[in-house]
Order: sequence, then C-alpha cells, then structure tokens
Amino acid sequence: NAGVTQTPKFQVLKTGQSMTLQCAQDMNHEYMSWYRQDPGMGLRLIHYSVGAGITDQGEVPNGYNVSRSTTEDFPLRLLSAAPSQTSVYFCASNSPWRDEQYFGPGTRLTVT
Amino acid sequence: AQTVTQSQPEMSVQEAETVTLSCTYDTSESDYYLFWYKQPPSRQMILVIRQEAYKQQNATENRFSVNFQKAAKSFSLKISDSQLGDAAMYFCAYRSPDYGGATNKLIFGTGTLLAVQP
Repeated sequence: NAGVTQTPKFQVLKTGQSMTLQCAQDMNHEYMSWYRQDPGMGLRLIHYSVGAGITDQGEVPNGYNVSRSTTEDFPLRLLSAAPSQTSVYFCASNSPWRDEQYFGPGTRLTVT
Repeated sequence: AQTVTQSQPEMSVQEAETVTLSCTYDTSESDYYLFWYKQPPSRQMILVIRQEAYKQQNATENRFSVNFQKAAKSFSLKISDSQLGDAAMYFCAYRSPDYGGATNKLIFGTGTLLAVQP
C-alpha cells in the first residue's frame, strides 16, 4: 500500500516555464488537497477536491490549476512559474468519514 | 474566517522531561476538529493526535495528550517523557465539520520547532 505519492521530489524551473506536479493515492479516498509550505507560514491550502470532477479553491489558488478526472489522481499545474511559487508542495487525501489527512512526501520546487 | 495561532516559534526540552506546546484558534463554529501534526526533518507530515470539539474529554495517544479548553479556544499539546525522536516541527490545525462533502479545508498554524536535548 503506497498511500499518497508525489512526483517529482525536487524540481527547478525558470520563470515562465510550466509544469505539473503529480499526486496519486491508492486508498480510494474521495477527498484530495494541495498545500504549499513556506518558512514561517505553515501550510496553506491551494486547491482541494471532494470527488472526481469537483474542485474548489483554497486560501492561495492564484497561479495554480487543478483537475480531478479520477479518484486516484489530483495533479497541480503551474502555467507560468514565478519566483513567488518557490515552496514545498504537499498533496493529501482523506475519506469523508475520517478527518485524518494522509500526506505525500512533498515536492520541493525552486523557481529562478 | 477561522485562524490558528502558535505563539512559540521554538521550544526546547531535556530528554525524559515534559513539554507543552501552545495553540489558540478563532472560530464562530461550535462543532469542529483540531489536530496536532508532527513534521520531522524528513518533511513527512505525521498526525499526532486529534480532538473533536463536541467531546469534553481530552484526547490522549501514548505520551502525547492535549488540554482542550473550548471556551478559551485553546488546544495545547503535552509531550511526556520526551525522546530524541520527538524533535520536529509541530503544527496545530483546525478543520470545520464536513456536512455533505461541501468542504475539506484544513487550516494550519505557523508551527513550533521542538528541540530535544540529550
């Protein structure tokens, strides 16, 4: 049982480049979320999904797109990377009947 | 909007001693969930303990316990018999109740970095 997996673990982008952070879970969880973690600011919610085809914005959604075509996958897209998006990104999943969110190992993204 | 405040950026404790990490929150909701997550240097987020607001009894998980004061909106974490492996960043988090799948928002505090001295 792999839990929540994220790829890549590390990534360096130039300003203006685009990329997709991948997130997958094998626990059949309906809910999935993306967070970013910045020094001194804790984790902040970017986007979340309560089921396939359903997504909503979190606290800091600007500059990010998401979609949820399957229960297992919840990719996060950066269309035009900016230095302000340098951060560690976490994906998480949980069941509607359990509040505990299971986190992936994170992706460290640097935008130069 | 709900907020979570951790006023201790760093704490230190001697091995085998007890330490308490503070967390306060602001909400107008009467029903909610509170969590403490641990983040060791590996970066993995690990759930330590959870508390449902409607439960008056404080949650306990082995050496970890909470002091939940609903009226004061306080949710502190006590670590007893501290071990070297407890050294990590600790985050307090708040979650609104999920009525019918409308939301899944977890609000985090800024964290407390705990050092354990041998």
